[in-house]
Amino acid sequence: DGGITQSPKYLFRKEGQNVTLSCEQNLNHDAMYWYRQDPGQGLRLIYYSQIVNDFQKGDIAEGYSVSREKKESFPLTVTSAQKNPTAFYLCASTHWDSQNTGELFFGEGSRLTVL
Amino acid sequence: GIQVEQSPPDLILQEGANSTLRCNFSDSVNNLQWFHQNPWGQLINLFYIPSGTKQNGRLSATTVATERYSLLYISSSQTTDSGVYFCAVKLTGGGNKLTFGTGTQLKVEL
Repeated sequence: DGGITQSPKYLFRKEGQNVTLSCEQNLNHDAMYWYRQDPGQGLRLIYYSQIVNDFQKGDIAEGYSVSREKKESFPLTVTSAQKNPTAFYLCASTHWDSQNTGELFFGEGSRLTVL
Repeated sequence: GIQVEQSPPDLILQEGANSTLRCNFSDSVNNLQWFHQNPWGQLINLFYIPSGTKQNGRLSATTVATERYSLLYISSSQTTDSGVYFCAVKLTGGGNKLTFGTGTQLKVEL
């Protein structure tokens, strides 16, 4: 089945450790995104990538890093510099076109808890 | 940046009731989507509706881009409709990223 797979679904880490969240899609989408959601809040954009080997900062990029070495994959690293890393992380993807009008689809999310 | 506001923030309905959720945005957009986030956190696509009206079963949506708002109608609500409803917009000429609204928390009771 086509879709977006995030792993792990739940992750616990100690403060000060870096954590990498995986996002893989087999929809042949060009653009991929990472959003963060805190309890009772909306989604905020962390990073996005429109093509392989290129990515842009979103609204809350500090303390995070990404890579886009393959079209299908867009991993997110939550570094020790992120002051409040406990959150729900959602990956999404869409086609990229000149009209910027692709429909966005989401994975099931990863819940990170830092102890 | 673009502002996206949703109303009401919270809504409680009896099963079978109808409701209208509103999304206002501050600038010209060329993409608007409605999502339903279920209690497990999964975001489900409801409508991709930059303009016009669409219907899907008990749900329908209308976007009036020139007046900068969109409406989501839920008819004959069911308990499974509970969750948070988000609208998200893409600013015209603003690159390929969606900005999310604040959400409407809906609870449907028996």
